[in-house]
Amino acid sequence: DADVTQTPRNRITKTGKRIMLECSQTKGHDRMYWYRQDPGLGLRLIYYSFDVKDINKGEISDGYSVSRQAQAKFSLSLESAIPNQTALYFCATSDWSSYEQYFGPGTRLTVT
Amino acid sequence: GIQVEQSPPDLILQEGANSTLRCNFSDSVNNLQWFHQNPWGQLINLFYIPSGTKQNGRLSATTVATERYSLLYISSSQTTDSGVYFCAVLSGGYNKLIFGAGTRLAVHP
Repeated sequence: DADVTQTPRNRITKTGKRIMLECSQTKGHDRMYWYRQDPGLGLRLIYYSFDVKDINKGEISDGYSVSRQAQAKFSLSLESAIPNQTALYFCATSDWSSYEQYFGPGTRLTVT
Repeated sequence: GIQVEQSPPDLILQEGANSTLRCNFSDSVNNLQWFHQNPWGQLINLFYIPSGTKQNGRLSATTVATERYSLLYISSSQTTDSGVYFCAVLSGGYNKLIFGAGTRLAVHP
């Protein structure tokens, strides 16, 4: 089984809808991240969490919120989706003892 | 903030050829990773290499931290090597990986 899983893998939603993307990991890592990738570009950080009680904004957090339900679970919500949030979303994890990050398979989100 | 530049932006190879991808960064780093994004969008960890040299099969990477660059070598390329190769760095004082724009590689049979 994959160490970092994301659900759903693909989603099409309409403008104004609320949507949640979920991430789970079995690596036992304490740090989790949400990134966004727009076509032809690298990834940009949305939010990150160093433990269950620690949530921090990244460079593009506007329009997003997160919840760290447990060490292994980190969810990203779009409260009212808009078309320019159409992107590929990645969850990542890392351990406190290493800077190496491990990425999930991604969620392809389309907002119409 | 730290800047990450990758070159070349695009690369076309015949199967069996060798190639070198470069990543330049503007400040000292705690972490440097190379990723391969396959045509299905998945990001695959290739190397975690803040300094030194590592090899994994046909791929190897070298980071010269003092000169602020890293190189990814692909030997005997295969069509499955096609995709985008990203370099990403994490610098002291920052908590996020900063990605380069990537090198898009196409390997033709």
